[in-house]
Amino acid sequence: NAGVTQTPKFRVLKTGQSMTLLCAQDMNHEYMYWYRQDPGMGLRLIHYSVGEGTTAKGEVPDGYNVSRLKKQNFLLGLESAAPSQTSVYFCASSYAGELFFGEGSRLTVL
Amino acid sequence: AQSVTQLDSQVPVFEEAPVELRCNYSSSVSVYLFWYVQYPNQGLQLLLKYLSGSTLVESINGFEAEFNKSQTSFHLRKPSVHISDTAEYFCAVVNFNKFYFGSGTKLNVKP
Repeated sequence: NAGVTQTPKFRVLKTGQSMTLLCAQDMNHEYMYWYRQDPGMGLRLIHYSVGEGTTAKGEVPDGYNVSRLKKQNFLLGLESAAPSQTSVYFCASSYAGELFFGEGSRLTVL
Repeated sequence: AQSVTQLDSQVPVFEEAPVELRCNYSSSVSVYLFWYVQYPNQGLQLLLKYLSGSTLVESINGFEAEFNKSQTSFHLRKPSVHISDTAEYFCAVVNFNKFYFGSGTKLNVKP
């Protein structure tokens, strides 16, 4: 049972480049989330989804887009990366009030 | 709006000493409260949660937290810490399926 899987785990981008982070869960959870973690700021919600085909903005959505075409996948896109988006990104799914996290994706934007 | 405040960014403590990690929340509605733990280079794992019922909740590894509605707090305690408890701890509140996290407290257990 893989749980929540994120790819890639590491990525270095140049300013202005685009990329997509993929999150996959095999627990059949309806709810999925993308967070970013920065030192001293905890986890901040970027976007979330309450089911296939639905997405919503979180606390810090600017500069990011998401899609949930399939229930098991939640994609996070950066159309034009900026140094301020250097962070560790965590995907999570939830069920019965509990979050299940992936291992994180470390993104560096130069 | 929901918010979670963890007043201590770092807590150093000696092994076998007691520890308390503080968490306060603000919410205009009923909340569910959580503590998550993050070991180095890993994702977050659920430590314990309060959904309803008894205000004192316990984890399998000796941590406990008490929901105090009047003080809007959910402090995490352990009577005797181990080196292996060294990690970062996050308090969280959920409302309408959105989870809000505090800024985290790094617990550093020294021998």
